[in-house]
Amino acid sequence: DAGITQSPRHKVTETGTPVTLRCHQTENHRYMYWYRQDPGHGLRLIHYSYGVKDTDKGEVSDGYSVSRSKTEDFLLTLESATSSQTSVYFCAISESWGPNYGYTFGSGTRLTVV
Amino acid sequence: GNSVTQMEGPVTLSEEAFLTINCTYTATGYPSLFWYVQYPGEGLQLLLKATKADDKGSNKGFEATYRKETTSFHLEKGSVQVSDSAVYFCALSEGGNAGKSTFGDGTTLTVKP
Repeated sequence: DAGITQSPRHKVTETGTPVTLRCHQTENHRYMYWYRQDPGHGLRLIHYSYGVKDTDKGEVSDGYSVSRSKTEDFLLTLESATSSQTSVYFCAISESWGPNYGYTFGSGTRLTVV
Repeated sequence: GNSVTQMEGPVTLSEEAFLTINCTYTATGYPSLFWYVQYPGEGLQLLLKATKADDKGSNKGFEATYRKETTSFHLEKGSVQVSDSAVYFCALSEGGNAGKSTFGDGTTLTVKP
């Protein structure tokens, strides 16, 4: 979607290597989220951010870390990639934390760990 | 904790057929409810939402009514098109929870001409 981009779109990496995925937004939204999408599991929250340098864990955060040094960028790092982290990763942004606001999603990053 | 349960797919319909995708939820408070659509190779897009009981969300011929008494938010469309083929996700979000949403597993819809 216009206003949110993810990079890279596709990546193949080897087990044990660190990997960083980038989410960039131009909407100046405060809230940003990283989800992973796996067959049979829907979308599961990895980490989220509610402001610059303010981040917290989601339900599947083990093996992942995040950083947000600027409003527009939210980085997801796999510290030492494993085959179980092969997935499609989506970044989402939201204007506010209120329950009335939905998400705008990026186009996703397909990560394969071999 | 919160959870969302969707009817299992895949769902295959002929063009102009009536569509229903069931969604029920469990929440501790009073959530807002959403339907998202994902076309092949793309991210999810917000399709419609409802923020309180008895609200009806609608968009592009799709609609869903927030039923608190049955904790449901079923997606309906009167006449589907081939272009509606996609994966549909039901989700909920509660206020005061940093805007975090809980998603169902998704239902794949295929519409045949």
